Amino acid sequence: QVQLQESGPGLVKPSQTLSLLCSVSGDSISRDGLYWTWIRQRPGKGLEWIGSRYNVGTTYYAPSLRGRLSISHDASTNAFSLVLDSVTAADTAVYYCARGRAYYGSSGYPTTPPFDYWGQGILVTVSS
Amino acid sequence: QSVLTQPPSASATPGQRVTIRCSGSGSNIGSNDVTWYQHVPGKAPRLLIYGNYKRPSGVPDRFFGSKSGTSASLAINGLQLDDEADYYCAAWDDNLNGPVFGGGTKLTV
Repeated sequence: QVQLQESGPGLVKPSQTLSLLCSVSGDSISRDGLYWTWIRQRPGKGLEWIGSRYNVGTTYYAPSLRGRLSISHDASTNAFSLVLDSVTAADTAVYYCARGRAYYGSSGYPTTPPFDYWGQGILVTVSS
Repeated sequence: QSVLTQPPSASATPGQRVTIRCSGSGSNIGSNDVTWYQHVPGKAPRLLIYGNYKRPSGVPDRFFGSKSGTSASLAINGLQLDDEADYYCAAWDDNLNGPVFGGGTKLTV
């Protein structure tokens, strides 16, 4: 059974850096065809994709966060991480890590990866 | 403002059928498959539908997904009390080069 678990600080000061870790069990972070992904939910809002690391070497970031965001992996600990610089109150959210599978539609081209396993989420508050 | 548009709320009584609609554009739903998630607040979201209509193992066939053009729908038949949750659609967006979500629909049973 695949399991993901987020960890990190629950409180970060404005302008500082947020670092979160997602520990994975039941699957290998290095296996091809997987999107290791961060998704967040701000208070009172819906789910928001932040970014993904695909096949270890390729990263996709939400345009609104590009420049502040980095997603990396550590094969030795089978975990991947999120680093978000210069946080503001707008970054207060529940952060989820999730596994997405590469999926090819009827056309044979890659299409929306389903996120089939999720962590429980971690609440991060940005406040002084 | 979410890229995909969903009604903010829906309601129905146990045993009834409810349909939740998701509208997008040519760069997302129009050219990519749709996924649907069920999210009970405080819990991890759950994948309900992928590839527009496919159900992962363990998802009952009461949940039915469909897509036409730049819109998609999730139908839930035989509503049960524990179907009460927030439901999100999602699709890859070719312009943003990442998945986009709808704003979510809060279903009250």
